[in-house]
Amino acid sequence: GAGVSQSPRYKVAKRGQDVALRCDPISGHVSLFWYQQALGQGPEFLTYFQNEAQLDKSGLPSDRFFAERPEGSVSTLKIQRTQQEDSAVYLCASSLAVWGDGYTFGSGTRLTVV
Amino acid sequence: GDSVTQMEGPVTLSEEAFLTINCTYTATGYPSLFWYVQYPGEGLQLLLKATKADDKGSNKGFEATYRKETTSFHLEKGSVQVSDSAVYFCALSGTGNQFYFGTGTSLTVIP
Repeated sequence: GAGVSQSPRYKVAKRGQDVALRCDPISGHVSLFWYQQALGQGPEFLTYFQNEAQLDKSGLPSDRFFAERPEGSVSTLKIQRTQQEDSAVYLCASSLAVWGDGYTFGSGTRLTVV
Repeated sequence: GDSVTQMEGPVTLSEEAFLTINCTYTATGYPSLFWYVQYPGEGLQLLLKATKADDKGSNKGFEATYRKETTSFHLEKGSVQVSDSAVYFCALSGTGNQFYFGTGTSLTVIP
């Protein structure tokens, strides 16, 4: 597609619920990143994929967070047993190059845990 | 570790005023530096970038120069417009693949 597409745009989850957030990167983009942006803050790195390989997951805040990109295109970020502190905008970005040189970001999924 | 420190906002300017948003960085090696802009309700958009010392990135009237001696990458525009109202993020891409973002500076331009 023309841009990075994320769905859903908004998600309200009850505390304890599992959620799955989807990212469709630009076709052919090798690198895919997930970031978490809390209200009034800059994005913070969660995880990085190069094709289907998850090369860096050092930013995932707990083992409740899990990301996958099984065929090297679409990626899913799953959060199990959501907590209120998980409320944030989750941003996906992709890049054609292996080494990031300016990502293209999606519009994000705003997750609110109530 | 790598980090970015950005001028806190919010910043309010009148139309046609001069804009400066300060950004300094800490990094090992030779990072690339970026400014991203986030309009209300939208995702982050790359505004400009510089990949080595003394490079100047420019786009839509905005400029920033990569200053290694002062570890800075300040964003400037000579004459802001109402449509420039947004949140601006300074970022660096260093070792590894992740970007490090500042906390963002909110700019409001009033007619």
